[in-house]
Amino acid sequence: DIQMTQSPSSLSASVGDRVTITCRASQSISSYLNWYQQKPGKAPKLLIYAASSLQSGVPSRFSGSGSGTDFTLTISSLQPEDFATYYCQQTYSTPPLTFGPGTKVDIK
Amino acid sequence: QLQLQESGPGLVKPSETLSLTCTVSGGSISSTSYYWGWIRQPPGKGLEWIGSIYYSGSTYYNPSLKSRVTISIDTSKNQFSLKLSSVTAADTAVYYCATIRYFDWLSHYWGQGTLVTVSS
Repeated sequence: DIQMTQSPSSLSASVGDRVTITCRASQSISSYLNWYQQKPGKAPKLLIYAASSLQSGVPSRFSGSGSGTDFTLTISSLQPEDFATYYCQQTYSTPPLTFGPGTKVDIK
Repeated sequence: QLQLQESGPGLVKPSETLSLTCTVSGGSISSTSYYWGWIRQPPGKGLEWIGSIYYSGSTYYNPSLKSRVTISIDTSKNQFSLKLSSVTAADTAVYYCATIRYFDWLSHYWGQGTLVTVSS
C-alpha cells in the first residue's frame, strides 16, 4: 500500500499569512493527489483534486502543486474560516484509499 | 444534490458486531457514477477508509479490516450498510458514509458522521 506523510503535523498562523502544507507519498503517484479540509465536528470537504485542480466553489486562495511523490497545499492569505485540519489523499493505487495523517492549522 | 445520513447504535459492547446504515437521498444508489463508501475517524485522529460497494454489489475492503468487515447494499431502500465484527475499543470512532466517484475515487458527498463507542 502507498503510505502518505504530511508536514508539519500542526502549525499556528495569523489571518493574512501565507500557509504551505506538504504531503509526501511513499512511491510515485503521478498527480493522483487530493486535498480535503475538515473543520471540528464536520465531515471532510474536497478542496483540490488531481494535485492542482480547484474543486468548484473553493476560494482561489487555495492552490495545490506537485507530482510524483511531493505535493504542497498553499493558502495564499489565511482567512478565519480556514482554521481546520487538512488531509491529503492518494487515488493512484486504489483500493485501498489512503489519507495522510493531517495538518492542523490553528490561530497564532 | 445527494444527501447521506448514517444511522445505528452509538454504543457497542466489545466482541460484538457494529452495524450502521447509510440512507441516500437526492439520487439513486443504483447510479453507475459512484461507489458507496465507509470511512472512520477515531477521536482526535485521522481518516481511515473502511471499504466501498458498487450498486452491483462488488465490494472493496481495506486489507487491515477485511477479515471483520461486510458492506452490503439495498437498492430497494436506497441504503447501504456496514457490519464490523469482533469490535474492540480501537474501533471507537466517528463513522462516515460517503460517495466515492467511480472513475476518480473522489468523495464529494459525505454524511454528517456518527460516533460509535465500543465499551462494556
